[in-house]
Amino acid sequence: AQSVSQHNHHVILSEAASLELGCNYSYGGTVNLFWYVQYPGQHLQLLLKYFSGDPLVKGIKGFEAEFIKSKFSFNLRKPSVQWSDTAEYFCAVTARSGGYQKVTFGTGTKLQVIP
Amino acid sequence: GAVVSQHPSRVICKSGTSVKIECRSLDFQATTMFWYRQFPKQSLMLMATSNEGSKATYEQGVEKDKFLINHASLTLSTLTVTSAHPEDSSFYICSAGTSGGTSSYNEQFFGPGTRLTVL
Repeated sequence: AQSVSQHNHHVILSEAASLELGCNYSYGGTVNLFWYVQYPGQHLQLLLKYFSGDPLVKGIKGFEAEFIKSKFSFNLRKPSVQWSDTAEYFCAVTARSGGYQKVTFGTGTKLQVIP
Repeated sequence: GAVVSQHPSRVICKSGTSVKIECRSLDFQATTMFWYRQFPKQSLMLMATSNEGSKATYEQGVEKDKFLINHASLTLSTLTVTSAHPEDSSFYICSAGTSGGTSSYNEQFFGPGTRLTVL
């Protein structure tokens, strides 16, 4: 069975600081990887996704993530955070299981950016 | 991006009653819809995956007789919580996506969620 772990549960940063949120997954086969963001009071939105090709993917709002297959990781990065990035971030993995696509979410990381 | 709606956004019901939550994809056809439950300060827990025209596939530990899922069309899926109890109070979120056979799975588009409170 696949699983996703996000090691940082709560991160507090000052504006302009750099961000890296960890995401590790366990699954032996081909996976698709996603980062979602949930701003306060809003529903989940896609930040970026990786299916294949260049392991460094760029998403919206200056976020990027790097897929390192050997480490089963898909860490999210942003060089300089803003107060508006305060949100909860979820890593997700999809893989085929029993003939259908199974989606697994990590437990989420709450990011608080201090002005 | 594509829009997914959920109705109702909030519902309060008495213990023992049934509640139906609708999930609609407004501007695309969703071959697959997912139902999640989100507990306070926790991640989304996938409850079931439903493909249009076929029975839903439930995750381990989710009672299929309690959480009835119907995916009658490519734009509508419903989750019915039967004989609701206070412990069923939660935030239920649906998502819709397009995936076909062996093709790559596309992103999911999430609904805004439904807050269920069972008294």
